Amino acid sequence: GENVEQHPSTLSVQEGDSAVIKCTYSDSASNYFPWYKQELGKRPQLIIDIRSNVGEKKDQRIAVTLNKTAKHFSLHITETQPEDSAVYFCAASPTGTASKLTFGTGTRLQVTL
Amino acid sequence: SQTIHQWPATLVQPVGSPLSLECTVEGTSNPNLYWYRQAAGRGLQLLFYSVGIGQISSEVPQNLSASRPQDRQFILSSKKLLLSDSGFYLCAWSLKGLAYEQYFGPGTRLTVT
Repeated sequence: GENVEQHPSTLSVQEGDSAVIKCTYSDSASNYFPWYKQELGKRPQLIIDIRSNVGEKKDQRIAVTLNKTAKHFSLHITETQPEDSAVYFCAASPTGTASKLTFGTGTRLQVTL
Repeated sequence: SQTIHQWPATLVQPVGSPLSLECTVEGTSNPNLYWYRQAAGRGLQLLFYSVGIGQISSEVPQNLSASRPQDRQFILSSKKLLLSDSGFYLCAWSLKGLAYEQYFGPGTRLTVT
């Protein structure tokens, strides 16, 4: 089955700096890669996703890049703000009707003033 | 628009007692449904998924079971809870086909004492 590794496990940045979180996956059949943000005690919220036919996708301060050859994808947050502080999870899913997601272990991002 | 509900929000149960958690989705038909568990400070583990009524696939062997008696209802059960069953239980839904996005419910925080 799919295995997703995520790094780093914790990340501290100053407000205004950029943050990068990296994930690698093992199953070459995976073709959908979402990122979720989870605030303390809340449900994970989908913030951005990318499919295998696209190399990069951007939504305001958030961008995701995908390298299918190397089997890795990354989340980039620019101009970080205190409200970006949360745990971020990457995931991967192969084609299929079940759309099963395998999640990474999460990155705790702390944005300091 | 679609809405996903879970109840109860919190639950404290003694070891050996039964469990029933319920999830319902509004605003869509024939969704894929998922149960995840998140241990404290950990990632998301897929427990069960369902592509239709009465169709349940188990990802992790354990003392939990799932049922889908109606199109938009997903139930997680146990006959006898273990201490290790404590965690944050999240239900999620997705459309079928190429739309892989999964959206999570508010979750049930279960403490087994």
